[in-house]
Amino acid sequence: EDQVTQSPEALRLQEGESSSLNCSYTVSGLRGLFWYRQDPGKGPEFLFTLYSAGEEKEKERLKATLTKKESFLHITAPKPEDSATYLCAVLPSGSARQLTFGSGTQLTVLP
Amino acid sequence: EAGVAQSPRYKIIEKRQSVAFWCNPISGHATLYWYQQILGQGPKLLIQFQNNGVVDDSQLPKDRFSAERLKGVDSTLKIQPAKLEDSAVYLCASSPVAGDSYEQYFGPGTRLTVT
Repeated sequence: EDQVTQSPEALRLQEGESSSLNCSYTVSGLRGLFWYRQDPGKGPEFLFTLYSAGEEKEKERLKATLTKKESFLHITAPKPEDSATYLCAVLPSGSARQLTFGSGTQLTVLP
Repeated sequence: EAGVAQSPRYKIIEKRQSVAFWCNPISGHATLYWYQQILGQGPKLLIQFQNNGVVDDSQLPKDRFSAERLKGVDSTLKIQPAKLEDSAVYLCASSPVAGDSYEQYFGPGTRLTVT
């Protein structure tokens, strides 16, 4: 069974304090790994897709990396507006585009 | 480009009542998904449509949940009768069917409270 585990469950940072969120996964074969951002009362917002180990993608203060067992979302010099829940999801090989999500990391950035 | 639309945004019902949610996907997206998101958890897939056909409904509690996508565009999800444990946010998402784009785009969700 496909499994996605995110850690930590919650993270509080001071503005400018860089850190990383972890997403470990167990899947028979990986077609893609996705990162989403979810603000309170809203649907998840797509951030990145990673397809193969060693791949990296960046967007503003966020950088996502992928290994064969886990992905990291690095946040450099975060701002309060980066506060949100970050969700990781995997798309298994052979899947008809069905994502399996982790429970998310709730990030709070204090001014 | 307009995003995924959902209505209503909020709904409060008593247990054993029925409720329906509506979703309009992004124009041209052939694949539509309904997810259930319980507080503190990630979204869980309930049903996936491609055009107006069901691709996967293995996690849909079919004794009380039903969904349809008439004409391959809008979709409705219905719960009848509702139970307390159905309290959750119901998210609709859509994605293009062709090519290497697997990203799903989500609507704002409908927050259901069953009392």
